[in-house]
Amino acid sequence: EVHLLESGGGLVQPGESLRLSCAASGFTFNIYAMTWVRQAPGKGLEWVSSISGSGSDSVYTDSVKGRFTISRDRSKNTLYLHMKNLRVDDTALYFCAKGWGRSDGFDYWGQGSQVTVSS
Amino acid sequence: SYEVTQPPSVSVSPGQTASITCSGDMLDDNYVFWYQQKPGQSPVLLIYEDNKRASGIPERFSGSNSGNTATLTISGTQAMDEADYYCQTWDTRVVFGGGTKLTVL
Repeated sequence: EVHLLESGGGLVQPGESLRLSCAASGFTFNIYAMTWVRQAPGKGLEWVSSISGSGSDSVYTDSVKGRFTISRDRSKNTLYLHMKNLRVDDTALYFCAKGWGRSDGFDYWGQGSQVTVSS
Repeated sequence: SYEVTQPPSVSVSPGQTASITCSGDMLDDNYVFWYQQKPGQSPVLLIYEDNKRASGIPERFSGSNSGNTATLTISGTQAMDEADYYCQTWDTRVVFGGGTKLTVL
């Protein structure tokens, strides 16, 4: 059974950093692209970043380019999102999801990790 | 940047058919995916590749994609189908629609 478990969220001040983790199990992690999607309070889903199965390709939404870095550790079956220079509008529930989103859908999602940026 | 548009809300009576649209320029050039999200829960993949039901999804859910519009159809809508629905496609990056709140009343 596929499981995605996010962790690392919390309350930080603007300008600070945070690293989210997503521990994956139940599938061959190394061959699947992975994605981060966020949802601000009361709002819709917003794609943040995706990384290929090999880790060689990554893409970002414009608002996080230069501030967020997606990565994966194949030995730990874990996906990461390194977030720096956080802004108030980064406040959201961050989901990790299995998939790239072009020819495949996001067929499994984690439960989400809350990131709150506030002074 | 590419955008897809959904109606903010749709209402349907129990047992009737609900249709939720997703509109975007030349939308059928790429696959459309549909997700259901109930309050306090993570999204669930309903439809992939325009019209294929994901594993475990009831037959009352179906999808289509033609021209500039993709449609999620729920036949014989049940109270448990009350949720937010999101379409998703691709245009050099992942694109989500703004979501549609389905009310069953």
